[in-house]
Amino acid sequence: GENVEQHPSTLSVQEGDSAVIKCTYSDSASNYFPWYKQELGKRPQLIIDIRSNVGEKKDQRIAVTLNKTAKHFSLHITETQPEDSAVYFCAASKDDNNDMRFGAGTRLTVKP
Amino acid sequence: KAGVTQTPRYLIKTRGQQVTLSCSPISGHRSVSWYQQTPGQGLQFLFEYFSETQRNKGNFPGRFSGRQFSNSRSEMNVSTLELGDSALYLCASSLVGPGSPLHFGNGTRLTVT
Repeated sequence: GENVEQHPSTLSVQEGDSAVIKCTYSDSASNYFPWYKQELGKRPQLIIDIRSNVGEKKDQRIAVTLNKTAKHFSLHITETQPEDSAVYFCAASKDDNNDMRFGAGTRLTVKP
Repeated sequence: KAGVTQTPRYLIKTRGQQVTLSCSPISGHRSVSWYQQTPGQGLQFLFEYFSETQRNKGNFPGRFSGRQFSNSRSEMNVSTLELGDSALYLCASSLVGPGSPLHFGNGTRLTVT
């Protein structure tokens, strides 16, 4: 099955700085890559996703890039704010089924 | 539209017992997935159901099982509980089709003593 690796496991940045989280996947047939944010004690929630026919997608301060050849994708958060502090998970799946596998998560801390 | 509902929110069981967790998906969502979340282990995939059939399965022992009903509601069962089964169990529902994200419930926190 699909194997998703995520780095770093923890990330601490100063408010206003950028944060980058990277993931790699093993199954070249994977074509859907969502990112989830999980705040303490809450459910994971989708923040952005990208499909394999697109190289980059942006939504305000959040962007995701995908390199299909290298099988890796990244989450970029600019102008970080304390409320961005959470655990972020990347995931990968294929269109033909809903077998979605997650990375181990990155705990992001934004210091005011 | 109501979100994914999981019951109960908390469970305390002893080793050797069995437990059943319930999940009601978002209306119209026919795919239901289950994940185990433990500190440091992220979201481990248990299984996924669609149209009452298990389509995908993760690397968990046979003590973990599930089913889906005709109304898409799903249950997960864990038999012969072990201390290591203590975790947050998350259910997620989704539409079926290209680029369908998962929508998670609040989870059931299972503690095995």
